[in-house]
Amino acid sequence: QVQLLESGGGVVQPGKSLRLSCEASGLAFTSSAMHWVRQAPGKGLEWMAIISSTGSTTFYGDSVEGRFTISRDNAKNTLYLQLNSLRLEDTGVYYCARADFLGSGSPLDIWGQGTVVTVS
Amino acid sequence: DIQLTQSPAFLSASVGDRVTITCRASQGINSFLVWYQQEPGKAPKLLSSSFQGGVPSRFSGSGSGTEFTLTISSLQPEDFAVYYCLQLDTLPFTFGQGTKLEI
Repeated sequence: QVQLLESGGGVVQPGKSLRLSCEASGLAFTSSAMHWVRQAPGKGLEWMAIISSTGSTTFYGDSVEGRFTISRDNAKNTLYLQLNSLRLEDTGVYYCARADFLGSGSPLDIWGQGTVVTVS
Repeated sequence: DIQLTQSPAFLSASVGDRVTITCRASQGINSFLVWYQQEPGKAPKLLSSSFQGGVPSRFSGSGSGTEFTLTISSLQPEDFAVYYCLQLDTLPFTFGQGTKLEI
């Protein structure tokens, strides 16, 4: 069964840190680029970050660059997002998603169910 | 960053209707735009794209450059959801603000 399963969300105080995980199963994780996307309560989708299949290349959205770090462990089929210096506006559902490659034209075709982060 | 403007933000329609949602980019993005459907409490689902199978044929996407459309030819009850466009041309990738399709 193809699946991405996020975990690690919770309630955290402003200024604190949190690490999210996304475990992949049933898909070619080690050859996939991976993304993080978030959604604030009642709001739209916000693209946050991407990492290449090997982990050698990363790119971030403006609102999280310098505070969040995307990484992966291909031996564990797991993607991570380290969230530092959390702000109230970082509250939301965090989704991981896969793509064929890092680059133009590769859609996010498999998504996890999301994990909820509440900064309060 | 490339901005995507979706219209309309809200769309009221009935089962069987044909509807069109538009997404305009602030600069040319070739044909690198895809559409997602999101039902309440669920993850987004990839729709119109040359990479995706299993999407009902009533959904179709078109466009290139700066203007794109998603058309649903005959609305079904399960189609009432929020729709987002996403540009995959230039990092950082960006989403449109969404279109809520309601009865």
